[in-house]
Amino acid sequence: SQQGEEDPQALSIQEGENATMNCSYKTSINNLQWYRQNSGRGLVHLILIRSNEREKHSGRLRVTLDTSKKSSSLLITASRAADTASYFCATATLQGAQKLVFGQGTRLTINP
Amino acid sequence: KAGVTQTPRYLIKTRGQQVTLSCSPISGHRSVSWYQQTPGQGLQFLFEYFSETQRNKGNFPGRFSGRQFSNSRSEMNVSTLELGDSALYLCASSLNQGTAPHGYTFGSGTRLTVV
Repeated sequence: SQQGEEDPQALSIQEGENATMNCSYKTSINNLQWYRQNSGRGLVHLILIRSNEREKHSGRLRVTLDTSKKSSSLLITASRAADTASYFCATATLQGAQKLVFGQGTRLTINP
Repeated sequence: KAGVTQTPRYLIKTRGQQVTLSCSPISGHRSVSWYQQTPGQGLQFLFEYFSETQRNKGNFPGRFSGRQFSNSRSEMNVSTLELGDSALYLCASSLNQGTAPHGYTFGSGTRLTVV
């Protein structure tokens, strides 16, 4: 079963707008990672945030982590058509750091 | 440097047959993980190997097995294929446990169709 739940399941916005995706999980984690997937191909690692971190930035990406609420958010600023993809959060626990548990993903569509 | 290479890219098999998928990790990466992705169940962890040892296994039947060679290349095998095994199988490699800043690097996957 999936540990993570992502919200929304699908998001459609205009190019240039910001996109926010949320992820909730159930157990204590070692780290949380975000991945992008284009059209059923391989996953691309975007960013990793550790359980003792609250916020990380990478280019147009901003990730927050609230361990008290067991939730994370991914913000993509100034969206581009090339950002159209599915986005997944994945958690790694202390006991099973080698095993990533994925959410169901958010399908993001950027309209030109 | 070369990425994670999975072969073959596409595969069509008949129910009851067996299949072997291959994964070559990034040079120097010793950890290889396998995931199954289906529309209904999403991405699910199959198993992870490090230095030829299986360190973790997901909740899949014994028909699913894997191994890792001394050069870190990995194979997974599915025996007695069922229609429900149709999926995209993804391999991921990492230097260690995947807690490095770059996380895991995934291959493009093998699309298996069972008919």
